[in-house]
Amino acid sequence: DSGVTQTPKHLITATGQRVTLRCSPRSGDLSVYWYQQSLDQGLQFLIQYYNGEERAKGNILERFSAQQFPDLHSELNLSSLELGDSALYFCASSVGALEGIQYFGAGTRLSVL
Amino acid sequence: LAKTTQPISMDSYEGQEVNITCSHNNIATNDYITWYQQFPSQGPRFIIQGYKTKVTNEVASLFIPADRKSSTLSLPRVSLSDTAVYYCLVGVPLSYNTDKLIFGTGTRLQVFP
Repeated sequence: DSGVTQTPKHLITATGQRVTLRCSPRSGDLSVYWYQQSLDQGLQFLIQYYNGEERAKGNILERFSAQQFPDLHSELNLSSLELGDSALYFCASSVGALEGIQYFGAGTRLSVL
Repeated sequence: LAKTTQPISMDSYEGQEVNITCSHNNIATNDYITWYQQFPSQGPRFIIQGYKTKVTNEVASLFIPADRKSSTLSLPRVSLSDTAVYYCLVGVPLSYNTDKLIFGTGTRLQVFP
C-alpha cells in the first residue's frame, strides 16, 4: 500500500459527460501529480500541484482541469468526455515541491461509452 | 531532454538473474536515474534510484558506468511475481523540468516457471 488513495476505482460514463476523480496523497506529502495511461501505453504526465498551487503542466487537454485543496487532496475534472478519454488515471504524491520519488495510487479506471 | 531507450520486452525463467538496460545518451550532469515497476492495472512502484557506480537495495541493484550514458537494473533470482513493466526515468529529483516526467513505454518482463 503506497498510502495514496484514489476514488472511485472504476467509473463508467457516456460521451459528453463530466466526471471528477479524487486523490488523497500520502500523509505529509505536499505534491500531487496526475497521469493518464491508455491501453498498453506509457504514463502521460498531466499536471502537478504543490501545496495548493499548480506547479507544472504536461499534455493536459483544455477539457481537463485539476485543483488541490487546503487539506492537500486533489481532484481531476474531466469534461465533454470522448471515447478516447477512456484510460487509467493515476495520482502520485511526493514529499517536496519538485519531483522526487513518487508514490502512486491504485488508479481510477474510466470507461467512456 | 534526456530521452531513454529500453527494450520493449524480455523473457526469463524463475530463479534467473535479469538485467534490463536503459540507454540515456543525453543524460545531464545533475540527472539521476530512477526505476519503477508496474503491475497490470496498478500504479507504478519505486524500485531504485542512483547517480553513479552501483546502488543496491533489498529488491534490486542498479549499475551505472562511468560515462552514465546507460544503466542496468539487475533483478536477482526472479520469480513469477516479478512479471511486470519496468520503467527507466532520467532527471533531476529536484528540478522544474517537467520533461523529466516521461515514463515512456517501459520494458515488459515476462517470467516463466
